[in-house]
Amino acid sequence: TQLLEQSPQFLSIQEGENLTVYCNSSSVFSSLQWYRQEPGEGPVLLVTVVTGGEVKKLKRLTFQFGDARKDSSLHITAAQPGDTGLYLCYSGGSNYKLTFGKGTLLTVNP
Amino acid sequence: ETGVTQTPRHLVMGMTNKKSLKCEQHLGHNAMYWYKQSAKKPLELMFVYSLEERVENNSVPSRFSPECPNSSHLFLHLHTLQPEDSALYLCASSQDIGTGGYEQYFGPGTRLTVT
Repeated sequence: TQLLEQSPQFLSIQEGENLTVYCNSSSVFSSLQWYRQEPGEGPVLLVTVVTGGEVKKLKRLTFQFGDARKDSSLHITAAQPGDTGLYLCYSGGSNYKLTFGKGTLLTVNP
Repeated sequence: ETGVTQTPRHLVMGMTNKKSLKCEQHLGHNAMYWYKQSAKKPLELMFVYSLEERVENNSVPSRFSPECPNSSHLFLHLHTLQPEDSALYLCASSQDIGTGGYEQYFGPGTRLTVT
């Protein structure tokens, strides 16, 4: 099973600040997905990245997939309180060995 | 109803009770999953079904018994649980399973408390 390391584990920032969270593995990702989970709810898919070096933007969120496909980052510009939640990365790996990282718990204070 | 639904949303049960969690997906997907999410732990995959056949059982205690009668429905039967089984139980579905991973769509979860 592929292990995913996410950092930081906790992040508390003020509204308007920028931030980056990371997802890393010692193995190559075949693809990687980012999810956001709000308290008491299930995770919601944000994006899927597949190609090494790929960059995807979703409004104020920028997702990057490392060239070697072993790491990924999520950058949020001008964070808002609505961005608060648990950010999870997920990789299907091979032979459907499914792995989620522990997540980064983000709090954006007004 | 759209997406993935779960019932009940909240459940309190004693250690000697028997209860069931229900999940239904309205997405036409072939694969369904049960996850356990406890405080300070990552999402733990419990079971995976593909076309109603169980393809993954991650060393889950026998007091958890899954059932997948068709590709749209998934149940988790609970009996003689322990307090440490208290957690958020999430159901998810995906188009298929296989190398590379498929995007998963989650239900809102059932918050289970074992007293």
